[in-house]
Amino acid sequence: DAKTTQPNSMESNEEEPVHLPCNHSTISGTDYIHWYRQLPSQGPEYVIHGLTSNVNNRMASLAIAEDRKSSTLILHRATLRDAAVYYCILTTRGNTPLVFGKGTRLSVIA
Amino acid sequence: GAGVSQSPSNKVTEKGKDVELRCDPISGHTALYWYRQRLGQGLEFLIYFQGNSAPDKSGLPSDRFSAERTGESVSTLTIQRTQQEDSAVYLCASSVPGLAVSGELFFGEGSRLTVL
Repeated sequence: DAKTTQPNSMESNEEEPVHLPCNHSTISGTDYIHWYRQLPSQGPEYVIHGLTSNVNNRMASLAIAEDRKSSTLILHRATLRDAAVYYCILTTRGNTPLVFGKGTRLSVIA
Repeated sequence: GAGVSQSPSNKVTEKGKDVELRCDPISGHTALYWYRQRLGQGLEFLIYFQGNSAPDKSGLPSDRFSAERTGESVSTLTIQRTQQEDSAVYLCASSVPGLAVSGELFFGEGSRLTVL
């Protein structure tokens, strides 16, 4: 399975943008890039996913490098509620189970 | 309900006892997944169901762990002869077919198991 590399932790000030990086240099052409986050004492929740093109939704934006070897999750305006562990996951077509790594723990400072 | 429902939300048991954890997926979700999360750790994949079949059981840690699913709906995770190392939050998730493309895996709140 293609692996992802994320920083262990990041810090952001409230109401500022946050860029969470993910490296996936061994990504294959059929791998989708998924982002999930886990708030304290809750199950993970879906944030965004994409294949090649950049994606936007109400929660965040996903910027995918042209060579697809890295991607960045962008939170446009961090709030205290965005403090969570963010996971970058690759998965191929079908129902292959998502394999969660250690993720990036994001702290948001008021 | 609208989401994935798990029960019990909390279970305290004595070492050596058997426990059953239940998951009700979102209606129409044919794919169902079980994960385990020990305190302060990441999620460990346990087993995946497509319909009532389990194509991937690779994450079950030992033969004390088993799971079944009936009617393409409810799933039960059974842990026999529980050990203290089984203490964790057990998370269930469901999705429509084609998770990679659809993207969204819906998680329940989890069942917290404490083995004394």
